[in-house]
Amino acid sequence: DQQVKQNSPSLSVQEGRISILNCDYTNSMFDYFLWYKKYPAEGPTFLISISSIKDKNEDGRFTVFLNKSAKHLSLHIVPSQPGDSAVYFCAAKRGENYGGSQGNLIFGKGTKLSVKP
Amino acid sequence: NAGVTQTPKFHILKIGQSMTLQCTQDMNHNYMYWYRQDPGMGLKLIYYSVGAGITDKGEVPNGYNVSRSTTEDFPLRLELAAPSQTSVYFCASSYWDRLPNYGYTFGSGTRLTVV
Repeated sequence: DQQVKQNSPSLSVQEGRISILNCDYTNSMFDYFLWYKKYPAEGPTFLISISSIKDKNEDGRFTVFLNKSAKHLSLHIVPSQPGDSAVYFCAAKRGENYGGSQGNLIFGKGTKLSVKP
Repeated sequence: NAGVTQTPKFHILKIGQSMTLQCTQDMNHNYMYWYRQDPGMGLKLIYYSVGAGITDKGEVPNGYNVSRSTTEDFPLRLELAAPSQTSVYFCASSYWDRLPNYGYTFGSGTRLTVV
């Protein structure tokens, strides 16, 4: 039972255009969401996060939007650059009052982004 | 500042053999984790630890054991290796009350093949 879903395994965009990566979740107990970026032969690195009490968080070229009613979040990258080519993982944390293991993140399968020059 | 260090980076193991994947962090993080990533899949939690002497099972613990004798080290032991354990293993650590990413830091991974 996948609680965090990234339904697009890959995405290809042109340099300078917007990249939109999507993530859906099923568990309403999640209270914090994170995006990680992973290059080949490296571990994932933190990109941006958002609390469930917000609907938007922005950091430079990266913006994450959260739609709680739809249980959907998206990562926007504007403008996209070739160096953004990587696998992007969406992750979620369950609120501590809702059981589960404190501190554990639940990851989606990832979306491979290719930004073409 | 080395962060999270995993050794070895690559290893080939024969069916039925055992080995230990090493993980060390120098950030004084209290939480440590072991994840595995199979091709085309997300990261799945194997075991985690909330501090020295305390460990607990994650989503896919079967075939693995862990120990946490110090804050810095969190080795993962594979007993009687099976082909299903062929995967990339990531160790991570975090300081759970520190936003915005809870200080969640990953190692570079160990690619393990069981033949």
